[in-house]
Amino acid sequence: NAGVTQTPKFHILKIGQSMTLQCTQDMNHNYMYWYRQDPGMGLKLIYYSVGAGITDKGEVPNGYNVSRSTTEDFPLRLELAAPSQTSVYFCASSQGGAYGYTFGSGTRLTVV
Amino acid sequence: DQQVKQNSPSLSVQEGRISILNCDYTNSMFDYFLWYKKYPAEGPTFLISISSIKDKNEDGRFTVFLNKSAKHLSLHIVPSQPGDSAVYFCAVSNQAGTALIFGKGTTLSVSS
Repeated sequence: NAGVTQTPKFHILKIGQSMTLQCTQDMNHNYMYWYRQDPGMGLKLIYYSVGAGITDKGEVPNGYNVSRSTTEDFPLRLELAAPSQTSVYFCASSQGGAYGYTFGSGTRLTVV
Repeated sequence: DQQVKQNSPSLSVQEGRISILNCDYTNSMFDYFLWYKKYPAEGPTFLISISSIKDKNEDGRFTVFLNKSAKHLSLHIVPSQPGDSAVYFCAVSNQAGTALIFGKGTTLSVSS
């Protein structure tokens, strides 16, 4: 039972570099999400997808891009990384919209 | 502007006693409420939920109470155990039912 798998678990990125955070799920869920968690700030929604080929912005989308070419994969792209993007990123999936999220274990990203 | 507020960043309780975690929300149109639990270096995991048509939902040691007039929900853990020590997030389903809005979390410490 893999559930939601995120890679990498840790990464250090230099200012101005780009990278892609990978997320894949094996539960055939239609809904997928990217959240970021800053210390003491809870989880904020970056982007979400209700199915392959459909994505939408969340609360804090600036500086990020996503794509959803398959049901399983929902990569998050950081372009021109900034220190403000230092955070822990969580991917999640759900069969029924806002119900029954399954989260990955997170990617801890540091931008220096 | 926070739509989901957890005003207590931390709570300390002795083993065997009751833990009460509180959450307030701003929008009376929210209709589905959840609690998630998070251990360090792991993703959040679903704990318990409640629909707006109910005022109480119980699952073993965990009970969630909803007071719609006060726009307040609480999570009761009885009896508390050291393994309950974690960060607890309150979440609500957004009006479109497509994503969750999370509070900042409350860190519960249960001492033996």
